[in-house]
Parts: sequence; structure tokens; C-alpha cells
Amino acid sequence: SQTIHQWPATLVQPVGSPLSLECTVEGTSNPNLYWYRQAAGRGLQLLFYSVGIGQISSEVPQNLSASRPQDRQFILSSKKLLLSDSGFYLCAWSVGLARNEQFFGPGTRLTVL
Amino acid sequence: AQSVTQLGSHVSVSEGALVLLRCNYSSSVPPYLFWYVQYPNQGLQLLLKYTSAATLVKGINGFEAEFKKSETSFHLTKPSAHMSDAAEYFCAVSGRNEKLTFGTGTRLTIIP
Repeated sequence: SQTIHQWPATLVQPVGSPLSLECTVEGTSNPNLYWYRQAAGRGLQLLFYSVGIGQISSEVPQNLSASRPQDRQFILSSKKLLLSDSGFYLCAWSVGLARNEQFFGPGTRLTVL
Repeated sequence: AQSVTQLGSHVSVSEGALVLLRCNYSSSVPPYLFWYVQYPNQGLQLLLKYTSAATLVKGINGFEAEFKKSETSFHLTKPSAHMSDAAEYFCAVSGRNEKLTFGTGTRLTIIP
């Protein structure tokens, strides 16, 4: 069966510090991968998605970047965090086709102070 | 382009009462529609999905939703609310590509 992991589960970082969040998927090959941010009361915002190694599409211009160094690994990064980067970050995967649902990881709670 | 609107950011129902969470969609192509549930500090879990087969879709935990093209709606219902149903619920739509567009969510509170 397929599983998706995210770490760390929680993170408290000062403004201006770097960020690296990691997501890995097991039990499937060549998944589509997604990073979402969930801010309080604002639903889910798609940040990045990837259909293959090294292929990253950015949905919203921002202070963050994403990379996919391996087929089942997706990394969210920042060189300098802003207060507005605080939120709940969710990684998800799917297998092609629009009718197929996305499967979500447990999330990372990021607080920038 | 597609979008979803969830009417009511907060809904409260008594235990044992009917749960009705509203979702209206907009899509330029035949949509695929989803309902997800999120418990506090957890990821999203799929409740059910509509992919152009039967218009009445049954999901997990006793939930179901009906696709009504004429009303562009995909409301989520459950006949009898349970305390464990307290969570946030998200409606989502996708079109020709793999990306989902989510609504802003509805927080469901169950009153004992």
C-alpha cells in the first residue's frame, strides 16, 4: 500500500532563517506531487506541483521554492523565512488523471517568529 | 478554470440530526468533484468523489453527496450526526488536469 511521510511535524523558526520541509511517498512510482499551504481560515492554497523529477510548476509567486531530486521525494525550501510563511504545509500525491484523488500527508505546522 | 464555493464557514448540528454541507462549483468542462475531511492537525482524508458515473455518491463514515448539474451543486449529507463527525470539510473540483481547486472549508461542530 502507498504511504506518504512529511517531516518535521512541527517547526518553529525565526524570521530570516532558512527552511527545508521534506515529503516522501512509498508504494507508487512516478506520482504527481503537490505542496499546499493552509493558513487559518483560508482553505488550501496550492504552492507547487511536480509531474516528474526536476519538473516543478509554481502556482503562486512567493518566498518559497520546491525541488524534486528523486521520483518520490519533494522538498519545500526557503532561503529567508517571513512571518507570512507561517501555516500548515501539506504534501500530497496523485497518479495522473484528473478524476483520481490526491492523497495527503500528515502535514507540518510551521511557526515563524 | 474551475472554482468551488462552500456556503457557511461554520455549521453546527445536534447529535443525531441531519448534516448538510453545501458546495457549489463552477467549471468550463465536466467536473470531477471531491469531498475531504480534516481532523485537527492532520492531513486531508477523502470522503467521496464524483467522476461522472452515478450522481449519488456514497462515501465513508455514512456520508453521501449528490451531483446536480442543473444546480451546479455537490452538497454533502449524513442522516444522523455523530460526535466523531466534528471536523473541517473541504469540497474540491478538478477539470482536465490533475490539479484540485479547494473551497475554503466548512467547520462542522456537533452539539451533544
